[in-house]
Amino acid sequence: EPEVTQTPSHQVTQMGQEVILRCVPISNHLYFYWYRQILGQKVEFLVSFYNNEISEKSEIFDDQFSVERPDGSNFTLKIRSTKLEDSAMYFCASIPTDRRGEKLFFGSGTQLSVL
Amino acid sequence: KQEVTQIPAALSVPEGENLVLNCSFTDSAIYNLQWFRQDPGKGLTSLLLIQSSQREQTSGRLNASLDKSSGRSTLYIAASQPGDSATYLCAVRPQGGSEKLVFGKGTKLTVNP
Repeated sequence: EPEVTQTPSHQVTQMGQEVILRCVPISNHLYFYWYRQILGQKVEFLVSFYNNEISEKSEIFDDQFSVERPDGSNFTLKIRSTKLEDSAMYFCASIPTDRRGEKLFFGSGTQLSVL
Repeated sequence: KQEVTQIPAALSVPEGENLVLNCSFTDSAIYNLQWFRQDPGKGLTSLLLIQSSQREQTSGRLNASLDKSSGRSTLYIAASQPGDSATYLCAVRPQGGSEKLVFGKGTKLTVNP
């Protein structure tokens, strides 16, 4: 079965550093998402992306966050200046063309630790 | 603001038992509801998706029901197996064109051999 692939699986960084989390969505999917899960808490929506632009973002997704699809296959989440509270598991997800009727496919996540 | 609650937070059962996981949501204006499985350190796997117009969906030993008016869904697992041990998450997509899923905190299920 096709998979959403995320790299790296673990990322450790110092507070204030920039990080880029990478995702390769399933090839025929057109809608892309980032979610995060702080340890012991609920999975939270960050942003959705379609047709090379953000279609929706949460209040968590402030100016420190950005997303892009640089080459038609990768989908990245950048955090410009990481804070301790950014430590979480970050999940990429995608769905096919008919976004409303379809299940969401998640990657296995990137565990980000900010020291 | 939509809130999703899952009860119980944890459940331990002997192998072979039938069980029910519960999910409730505060705003009945939903587009669909999904049940996911999460294994430790892994991503989420979608198990069942119920559209707002549907009452239930079935896949193998899993059956999910939806009562939108009362803001409730249940996930029924028949003849549980140790391999079913995982955290089960419920998530709703609001009506009105929002992209996001709103998740519950999950129920951690342990099936003992």
